[in-house]
Amino acid sequence: EPEVTQTPSHQVTQMGQEVILRCVPISNHLYFYWYRQILGQKVEFLVSFYNNEISEKSEIFDDQFSVERPDGSNFTLKIRSTKLEDSAMYFCASSGGAPGGFFGPGTRLTVL
Amino acid sequence: AQSVSQHNHHVILSEAASLELGCNYSYGGTVNLFWYVQYPGQHLQLLLKYFSGDPLVKGIKGFEAEFIKSKFSFNLRKPSVQWSDTAEYFCAGKNYGGSQGNLIFGKGTKLSVKP
Repeated sequence: EPEVTQTPSHQVTQMGQEVILRCVPISNHLYFYWYRQILGQKVEFLVSFYNNEISEKSEIFDDQFSVERPDGSNFTLKIRSTKLEDSAMYFCASSGGAPGGFFGPGTRLTVL
Repeated sequence: AQSVSQHNHHVILSEAASLELGCNYSYGGTVNLFWYVQYPGQHLQLLLKYFSGDPLVKGIKGFEAEFIKSKFSFNLRKPSVQWSDTAEYFCAGKNYGGSQGNLIFGKGTKLSVKP
């Protein structure tokens, strides 16, 4: 069964550093999403991406965040200058177009 | 603001017991509702979803959910749980007017099934 994959599974970084979280969506999907879950809190929507551009972003997705589809398979989330409060589990998801999506296993980001 | 609420934080059941996990959503209009499950150490998996039509939705692994518009509810049920159902369950709704991936999640309910 096709699945969404994410790397790395755990990323530790120093405050102020840039991180790139990587995702490989399901191959025939066209819609890609990032979510995050701060420990003990709800899963929160960050951004939707379709046709090589952001189709929607939440208030959380400020200027320090960016997304990119650098090639035909990867979908990345870049955090430019990490802050302590960026520590969270980051989930990538993809869908063929219907609401909702297939989620990846997540990347746990720890900012020290 | 739209919200999805799950009132049970942790539910503990014995095997073969019946399960009902509550989920309430706060908004009107067209609703798209989901239940996701996260088994220990694994990713979120879609159990079932409701977009329209028959309000009783059947999902994988014997789960079902009923959309009751008058109660703004979408409770998850299973007649007889197994130890392997131990997991965290998340109710979610598509943010009305948002993009397809803009889901609002509940806080999750942890289910522990005792063998």
